[in-house]
Amino acid sequence: DIQMTQSPSSLSASVGDRVTITCRASQSISSYVNWYQKKPGQAPKLLIYAASSLQSGVPSRFSGSGSGTDFTLTISSLQPADSATYYCQQTYTTTRTFGQGTKVEIK
Amino acid sequence: QVQLVESGGGLVKPGGSLRLSCAASGFTFSDYYMSWIRQAPGKGLEWVSFISSSGSTIFDADSVQGRFTISRDNAKNSLYLQMNSLRVDDTAVYYCARGIAAADYDAFDIWGQGTMVTVSS
Repeated sequence: DIQMTQSPSSLSASVGDRVTITCRASQSISSYVNWYQKKPGQAPKLLIYAASSLQSGVPSRFSGSGSGTDFTLTISSLQPADSATYYCQQTYTTTRTFGQGTKVEIK
Repeated sequence: QVQLVESGGGLVKPGGSLRLSCAASGFTFSDYYMSWIRQAPGKGLEWVSFISSSGSTIFDADSVQGRFTISRDNAKNSLYLQMNSLRVDDTAVYYCARGIAAADYDAFDIWGQGTMVTVSS
């Protein structure tokens, strides 16, 4: 199975900061990476698909990049509503594995 | 509006069985593949099972293979997860999700609110 490793596991940043989360795949997965936002008690929400495509309705401060094994989710200007856990996911293989998550807190 | 609503969760003893359901509305259910994903308390998301739009293709995570069975009834706009031989580590919130796929992407764009399954003696 392909392993997805996220870093950092958690971070704390101030409103307006630029935040970057990375995800590394254990083997090349082209651009078959998605990013989800998960808040406690809520369903996960798709933010980015195909590594860099912004899902409809998602604020433009979210962006994704990368291909092969290394991927990045960037929040250009952190907002209070962005406090959540973020997960990368690969859909290159039939077992659609997730990363372990990155918890983002607002200072 | 486009919606997925899970039901069927609850408390069950180790070795027991449970059947989860996911009711879809607001879209043509038979056009989409579906999956179950779970989140154990304090843990991350874990993909569980996949079923194609027609139901002819199924994939399961190693952790549930041989114990869980995904199925769907396109006439009833419903997805199911039959869970047998339940273990304590199957305790989690179970989500159903709609899959969107094309030549160069594949993602879960709509999720239900989840149903809690607790396996405990």
